[in-house]
Amino acid sequence: ILNVEQSPQSLHVQEGDSTNFTCSFPSSNFYALHWYRWETAKSPEALFVMTLNGDEKKKGRISATLNTKEGYSYLYIKGSQPEDSATYLCAFGSSNTGKLIFGQGTTLQVKP
Amino acid sequence: DTEVTQTPKHLVMGMTNKKSLKCEQHMGHRAMYWYKQKAKKPPELMFVYSYEKLSINESVPSRFSPECPNSSLLNLHLHALQPEDSALYLCASSQDRMTGRYTFGSGTRLTVV
Repeated sequence: ILNVEQSPQSLHVQEGDSTNFTCSFPSSNFYALHWYRWETAKSPEALFVMTLNGDEKKKGRISATLNTKEGYSYLYIKGSQPEDSATYLCAFGSSNTGKLIFGQGTTLQVKP
Repeated sequence: DTEVTQTPKHLVMGMTNKKSLKCEQHMGHRAMYWYKQKAKKPPELMFVYSYEKLSINESVPSRFSPECPNSSLLNLHLHALQPEDSALYLCASSQDRMTGRYTFGSGTRLTVV
């Protein structure tokens, strides 16, 4: 069984705070690591796909890093805004199963 | 067109009913997926189609029957479901199975009574 763990499960921050959360995944048979943002009543939206150890990706105030040797990825949000409120899902792509396995998500609430 | 369209958005069905969920994309993606998501749990993979052929079935009960009639359409036929099958059913597509970003539909909220 492949375990993809995200922490924390939920997070409440004030507008303007910077925040980060973690995705842990198996360090063997790595193929890709995806991050998605899922707002209530909408479709999950792709943020990043990372494939190389040491990858860093950035989109506006959101960035992500990847460490495949130790099996973790961090997602950072700088200066959180209320519109950043969503569930952030990571997903691990395994080279030996060909499957993308999702973590349970981190739910972020940003208070104005 | 950069969307995945799922219909219906909501479905209530009895345990003896037969119904179908529909998923459509016109992005030329060659991989399509069905995921099931229950509250506060991660989306669970059910089926993967690659180039219109079923490539992964995650030991899903036969009361769920997928079909890919062409490269743009993915159906999930439902028959004799149980109340515990009530969940959000998400369809997704991607250009590449592992490194391509998934584009998700907004899901069908299924309730089995």
